Amino acid sequence: QQQVKQSPQSLIVQKGGISIINCAYENTAFDYFPWYQQFPGKGPALLIAIRPDVSEKKEGRFTISFNKSAKQFSLHIMDSQPGDSATYFCAASRASGTYKYIFGTGTRLKVLA
Amino acid sequence: DTGVSQNPRHKITKRGQNVTFRCDPISEHNRLYWYRQTLGQGPEFLTYFQNEAQLEKSRLLSDRFSAERPKGSFSTLEIQRTEQGDSAMYLCASSPRGGSPYEQYFGPGTRLTVT
Repeated sequence: QQQVKQSPQSLIVQKGGISIINCAYENTAFDYFPWYQQFPGKGPALLIAIRPDVSEKKEGRFTISFNKSAKQFSLHIMDSQPGDSATYFCAASRASGTYKYIFGTGTRLKVLA
Repeated sequence: DTGVSQNPRHKITKRGQNVTFRCDPISEHNRLYWYRQTLGQGPEFLTYFQNEAQLEKSRLLSDRFSAERPKGSFSTLEIQRTEQGDSAMYLCASSPRGGSPYEQYFGPGTRLTVT
C-alpha cells in the first residue's frame, strides 16, 4: 500500500513534442503528489506538485493531471526541449507528522534535438 | 547559494570501515530528512528529524546506521562496518518551518562506494 508505481521506465521524445509520465498509488491517505527532476550527479529538484482537491495544475510547460478515483496522476511536459533530458520521479506524501516521501522508480527522459 | 549542502560529495571506502556524512540544511529549516538512492531507483526514506529530535527511522536503517542533528542545525549520518550493499547516493532534504511542510529541498547528495 506504500508503493508508488511509475511508468514508463524510459521515454524518448522529439524536440517540441509532449512527454507524458504516469504514476499510480494505492494508499488513499496520500494527499500531496510532487514531481522531481534529477540530472546526473545532482539531487532531485522540485518541479511541480498537486493536492487531491484539484484535477490539474499547470506551471509553465509542466502540467500535472490528477485522477483521484483512479488513484493516478501524470506529468505532461509540453514543447519538450533537449534541456529537459533528465530523470523524473513522482512521489506521494501524507500529513502523518513526518511528511516523508514515497518515490516512484523514475523515468529517464531523452529529448532529441 | 543558500541551498542544502552535503559533504563529502563522494566517498570511497573499504568494506568494514566507518564513514560519516554531513548535511547542512537551508537556514531556518527545522525539518530534515535522509534518503538513500541506489542506481536506477527512486530515493528511499531513511530517517527524519524535527529540530534536534529524531522522530522516525525506516526499517532500512539497520543498527549500523546512526544519525544525529545536534542543536537542530546540521545533521550527520554515520555508517559503521560498511558493506558493499551500502553503496548508494545518500540524499539530505530539508523543509521549512512555517511554510508548507510537504515541500522538501534536496541537497546534491553524497555518493558512497564501498569496495
